[in-house]
Amino acid sequence: QEQLVESGGGVVQPGRSLRVSCAASGFTFSSFGMHWVRQAPGKGLEWVAVISYDGRNKYYADSLKGRFAISRDNSKNTLYLQMNSLRLEDTAVYYCAKPFTDFWSGNSYYYYGLDVWGQGTTVTVSS
Amino acid sequence: QSVLTQPPSASAAPGQRVTISCSGSSSNIGKNYVSWYQQVPGTAPKLLIYDNNKRPSGIPDRFSGSKSGTSATLGITGLQTWDEADYYCGTWDSSLSAGVFGGGTKLTVL
Repeated sequence: QEQLVESGGGVVQPGRSLRVSCAASGFTFSSFGMHWVRQAPGKGLEWVAVISYDGRNKYYADSLKGRFAISRDNSKNTLYLQMNSLRLEDTAVYYCAKPFTDFWSGNSYYYYGLDVWGQGTTVTVSS
Repeated sequence: QSVLTQPPSASAAPGQRVTISCSGSSSNIGKNYVSWYQQVPGTAPKLLIYDNNKRPSGIPDRFSGSKSGTSATLGITGLQTWDEADYYCGTWDSSLSAGVFGGGTKLTVL
């Protein structure tokens, strides 16, 4: 069955970097764009970033541009999120998610919904 | 402040019907596909509705979605105690070039 498994979370000091990963199985990873979504403790869902099926197109939440970078390795069926200059407010559970269907048209992106989610990996930024 | 607006809470008795609204704008709900998610605290979100009104395999027909203009609605009929959870709407915002979610609605089944 389709499955996503995140890893790489942990406790990190403010200003440091961390990379989290998401291993995919049970579907053709290279055919889908992939998303990162995070959830701070006691808060709602916050969309983080999306990357196209081939890695060429990427979009980020405005508040994270310049600090976070999404990437993928289709040969390893793995999605990554590189987080730099971490802040206390980046403390959250980070989920990777696969769209039910998505497509790119020029600079536009469309997706129907996120149908497969990982269990999440917890990132705690603390001194 | 979320781009999509949901009521923070909703409640109804077992067996009753409840609706949860999601209000947006012409750049998000108005021109893109709306999805709905159920999240039990401590677990990952679960897709309930995609493409405005379609249910993934395994989601009971007690759950329905609709969209009109810049608003969307999730309906749940025949409420069960295990429907108690947080519910989120989501879509793409073409002006922001970013995904957006509502702030979430906590459903209580009295």
